[in-house]
Amino acid sequence: KAGVTQTPRYLIKTRGQQVTLSCSPISGHRSVSWYQQTPGQGLQFLFEYFSETQRNKGNFPGRFSGRQFSNSRSEMNVSTLELGDSALYLCASSSSTGRSSPLHFGNGTRLTVT
Amino acid sequence: TQLLEQSPQFLSIQEGENLTVYCNSSSVFSSLQWYRQEPGEGPVLLVTVVTGGEVKKLKRLTFQFGDARKDSSLHITAAQPGDTGLYLCAGAVDSNYQLIWGAGTKLIIKP
Repeated sequence: KAGVTQTPRYLIKTRGQQVTLSCSPISGHRSVSWYQQTPGQGLQFLFEYFSETQRNKGNFPGRFSGRQFSNSRSEMNVSTLELGDSALYLCASSSSTGRSSPLHFGNGTRLTVT
Repeated sequence: TQLLEQSPQFLSIQEGENLTVYCNSSSVFSSLQWYRQEPGEGPVLLVTVVTGGEVKKLKRLTFQFGDARKDSSLHITAAQPGDTGLYLCAGAVDSNYQLIWGAGTKLIIKP
């Protein structure tokens, strides 16, 4: 069974640009969550999608948005990039939306904003 | 603000030594998960604990959930270089839909 796939693995952008990250969940998983990881900050929750609907959103500005397609694949978009957006962006899929459900993470997209 | 504090933040020890990593909060958790993240990869779930006082073992790793479900520990016996990684705990709180994540413990086991 293929794991969670995130593309691209690395991305370098300049301030003011926008970026789109992609996540393909494990087959059969309908829940996809996005996290931002920076050194010493742990994982910061961005949002969760289930069956194409955003179920929950973290405390990030509106520049961060996402969507989920009918095949459960998800994309995350960040507009007007800032230097502080440099981070590892992780996508996780789960078979359900319960908080105790195991999260299966991809290997992330490393975004560097210069 | 609900916080989950992990300690130590960084630990570097020799192969064969024992160690304990802690995850503490003032909040009561309905469940708590431990993940390990290796460089260049995403976190991988190690265990989920749900009952106060619960102890789970995974080979040389022993996980314990506090009786009051406010804290948890991870004990590694005879650490090996393959145990190297970032250990993260994440707790589920009834009043919060999201998981609460600790900042992680970076563990290095030197051969």
